[in-house]
Amino acid sequence: EAQVTQNPRYLITVTGKKLTVTCSQNMNHEYMSWYRQDPGLGLRQIYYSMNVEVTDKGDVPEGYKVSRKEKRNFPLILESPSPNQTSLYFCASSLGAGQDTQYFGPGTRLTVL
Amino acid sequence: AQSVAQPEDQVNVAEGNPLTVKCTYSVSGNPYLFWYVQYPNRGLQFLLKYITGDNLVKGSYGFEAEFNKSQTSFHLKKPSALVSDSALYFCAVRDYNAGNNRKLIWGLGTSLAVNP
Repeated sequence: EAQVTQNPRYLITVTGKKLTVTCSQNMNHEYMSWYRQDPGLGLRQIYYSMNVEVTDKGDVPEGYKVSRKEKRNFPLILESPSPNQTSLYFCASSLGAGQDTQYFGPGTRLTVL
Repeated sequence: AQSVAQPEDQVNVAEGNPLTVKCTYSVSGNPYLFWYVQYPNRGLQFLLKYITGDNLVKGSYGFEAEFNKSQTSFHLKKPSALVSDSALYFCAVRDYNAGNNRKLIWGLGTSLAVNP
């Protein structure tokens, strides 16, 4: 089944404790992206990747890192999480050109205390 | 500035009645428009898209959307609503200022409640 998977689905952590949210897609998509979803702010892009070893900042990259060592994986790293990073996070992927459909993972609900 | 607006935070409709979820946009080029749906505790799912061609686009689950260039709108419609259609609906448009980034500009979402 074609899908985007994220782990963990739920995470409660404390300020400053490094964490990684994994994202994997099995559709051989070139493009992958991370979003955060907050009430009243909608979906905002954190980072994106055009292909392996090619990543760039989205609209709200501060406090986050990503890597793209393999085509299928695009982990989101919070080196020192803070309470303002409490949010719902989505990973997405798409095949190619700009009009392509984006496929979303199930989401990771992160709470930073 | 490019933008997407969903003027209604919530839409309520009775089961069996037609539904419309509104979306208007402002972009600098030809619009690539999308509708996504988010069910509780789930990720966003693609419903339909308009790239070019027929202004009436048909999508998943019986949904359709009408592209209206003069009104810069892309309203989502369904002839007969189901209780299971209750969800959060997002309209999005490709960001032409994003270069190679396939970023979409998202509306804030409209919560659809279909009452039995």
